[in-house]
Amino acid sequence: DQQVKQNSPSLSVQEGRISILNCDYTNSMFDYFLWYKKYPAEGPTFLISISSIKDKNEDGRFTVFLNKSAKHLSLHIVPSQPGDSAVYFCAASGSGAGSYQLTFGKGTKLSVIP
Amino acid sequence: DVKVTQSSRYLVKRTGEKVFLECVQDMDHENMFWYRQDPGLGLRLIYFSYDVKMKEKGDIPEGYSVSREKKERFSLILESASTNQTSMYLCASRGILRTSGRKQFFGPGTRLTVL
Repeated sequence: DQQVKQNSPSLSVQEGRISILNCDYTNSMFDYFLWYKKYPAEGPTFLISISSIKDKNEDGRFTVFLNKSAKHLSLHIVPSQPGDSAVYFCAASGSGAGSYQLTFGKGTKLSVIP
Repeated sequence: DVKVTQSSRYLVKRTGEKVFLECVQDMDHENMFWYRQDPGLGLRLIYFSYDVKMKEKGDIPEGYSVSREKKERFSLILESASTNQTSMYLCASRGILRTSGRKQFFGPGTRLTVL
């Protein structure tokens, strides 16, 4: 059973516009969420995170929104740049013993068109 | 910056061979992880270790074992490689929760092909 879902395998956006990547989760024990970015033939790199006590976290062009009641989070990239083209993974973590593990979604491939 | 290195970027092995994938981190992190990444499946946790000589099974441990004799090194072992273990293998590390949070740092990955 997939606990973290990224329902869009791919997304294409024009350079300068907003990119919105979505993620849904089913496990109500998750209380911390992260986004990673991955280029081909490289390991994932951490992008931004959010705790369940917040509903928004911003870092430069990247903002993550969390809607706990809907078990939904989204990553906004504004403005999108060609260098943002990569696969984006949403990940979730629980508390206590569950904090060791990150559960990842299947990823969304973002293509930013110049 | 945290550096996580993996012994090989690309590896080709034959079915039935014993395969060792090595991972080293330089940040004195307590926790280390092995994942595999397959198209359309995302990252799946194979094993993790929260301390030296300690190991815990992840979501897909079958066909794999691990070894952590030193804090900085975490090895993934395929006892008898099979073609369905062809994948990208990613190692990650993380410090203790109190100081490092839950962010994991990843190595560059090893693309393993089993023929």
